[in-house]
Amino acid sequence: GAGVSQSPSNKVTEKGKDVELRCDPISGHTALYWYRQSLGQGLEFLIYFQGNSAPDKSGLPSDRFSAERTGGSVSTLTIQRTQQEDSAVYLCASSLRSGGGNIQYFGAGTRLSVL
Amino acid sequence: GENVEQHPSTLSVQEGDSAVIKCTYSDSASNYFPWYKQELGKGPQLIIDIRSNVGEKKDQRIAVTLNKTAKHFSLHITETQPEDSAVYFCAASNHGGSQGNLIFGKGTKLSVKP
Repeated sequence: GAGVSQSPSNKVTEKGKDVELRCDPISGHTALYWYRQSLGQGLEFLIYFQGNSAPDKSGLPSDRFSAERTGGSVSTLTIQRTQQEDSAVYLCASSLRSGGGNIQYFGAGTRLSVL
Repeated sequence: GENVEQHPSTLSVQEGDSAVIKCTYSDSASNYFPWYKQELGKGPQLIIDIRSNVGEKKDQRIAVTLNKTAKHFSLHITETQPEDSAVYFCAASNHGGSQGNLIFGKGTKLSVKP
C-alpha cells in the first residue's frame, strides 16, 4: 500500500481480555516501530523490529505486552489481560532501515479503550 | 537516556502571525531532530527535520533551528494559516545508533484563529 496501515482503527474491550493490533508497513521498509500515545502525552517508544528481529524489548511496559513480525512485513502487538491503563492510541511507524536519521512514517493508529 | 522537553503545551495565534515552538534535549549524542504534525484522528506526519551538522533548515513557511551547544531546537512557522492548526511534536534520536527510535516531546497544540 501507499502508507502504513493499522487495524483495527478502534478497539473496545473489557478488562482482562486479550487484544491484537496489526500493522502493515510500507512495502520494502525493513524497520518497524511501535509507539503508545496516551491522552495529552507524547509518543512513548515500545519496541522496534529490524526485519523479523526485535533486538530491544525494554520499552514494553510489562510482560503482558508482546510483539512479533513475520516475513519482514506485518507486525502484531498483543496485549494480554488488558487493564484500564492500557487505554491509549497505539501507533506503528516504518522506515527504510533502522538507525537514527531514517525517516519514520506513521500509520493512523489503533485507539484502544479498555472498559 | 534521552529526555525531550517541549514548550509551550498550547499556543494560540492570529492568522498571519508567526508561531515558535521550542524543545530541549538531554543526550549530547542525539543528532537527528524531526518535527511531526498530528491532525485529529491521524498519525503524526513529518514536516521537517534537521541533523546536527546543520544549524538551520527552511522549507517554505517552516524553519527549524538547532543549537547543539545549548541542546535546544525550535520550529518556526511564518504567515500561519488555519490549516496549520494541529498538535506538533519534536523528537530526537541518535543518528549513529542502530536502533533509531525517536524520543518525543509531549506536544504543542497550535490554534490559528482566522
